[in-house]
Amino acid sequence: NAGVTQTPKFQVLKTGQSMTLQCAQDMNHNSMYWYRQDPGMGLRLIYYSASEGTTDKGEVPNGYNVSRLNKREFSLRLESAAPSQTSVYFCASSERGRTEAFFGQGTRLTVV
Amino acid sequence: SQQGEEDPQALSIQEGENATMNCSYKTSINNLQWYRQNSGRGLVHLILIRSNEREKHSGRLRVTLDTSKKSSSLLITASRAADTASYFCATDLMDSSYKLIFGSGTRLLVRP
Repeated sequence: NAGVTQTPKFQVLKTGQSMTLQCAQDMNHNSMYWYRQDPGMGLRLIYYSASEGTTDKGEVPNGYNVSRLNKREFSLRLESAAPSQTSVYFCASSERGRTEAFFGQGTRLTVV
Repeated sequence: SQQGEEDPQALSIQEGENATMNCSYKTSINNLQWYRQNSGRGLVHLILIRSNEREKHSGRLRVTLDTSKKSSSLLITASRAADTASYFCATDLMDSSYKLIFGSGTRLLVRP
């Protein structure tokens, strides 16, 4: 069991470029989440998906879009990257949104 | 502003001492969870306490929840150098969403 897998692990983008962060879980979980963590800070919720076919905004959704491709996969897209989006991005999943969440190892994104 | 605020922001103790971290939140919750993060890696779930519970134990961890004060505490007894990490509380909001909102975290240093 891999748990929650994020790709890529590291990425450097130029301002204005676009990219998609991929996340997949193999635990048959219903709920999936995308967070960002800035240096020395807690995690802030960008978007979440309570179940397959649904997505909702979190605390800091501006500049991002998401797709819940199927039950396993939840991707995060930056359409036009900005330096303020430099952060570590974490994907997580939970069985049904009322239980513990399992996290991927993170994607370190730098926008120059 | 974040749902959960933790106190203290940083804590330095000697090995063998107890460590106490506090979390306050703003809105009603289904449950409150504590997570640990080692050095910028993915978060690991420690313990979950439901809104109708007041205290929960897991090994050297003791969590309390006071819903009237909207606060929780995490006690780590007989700390070890390996407990050095950042600790976060997360609240599962009592609404129709499945948001899991994190606090700002406490950085714990356990000195050998």
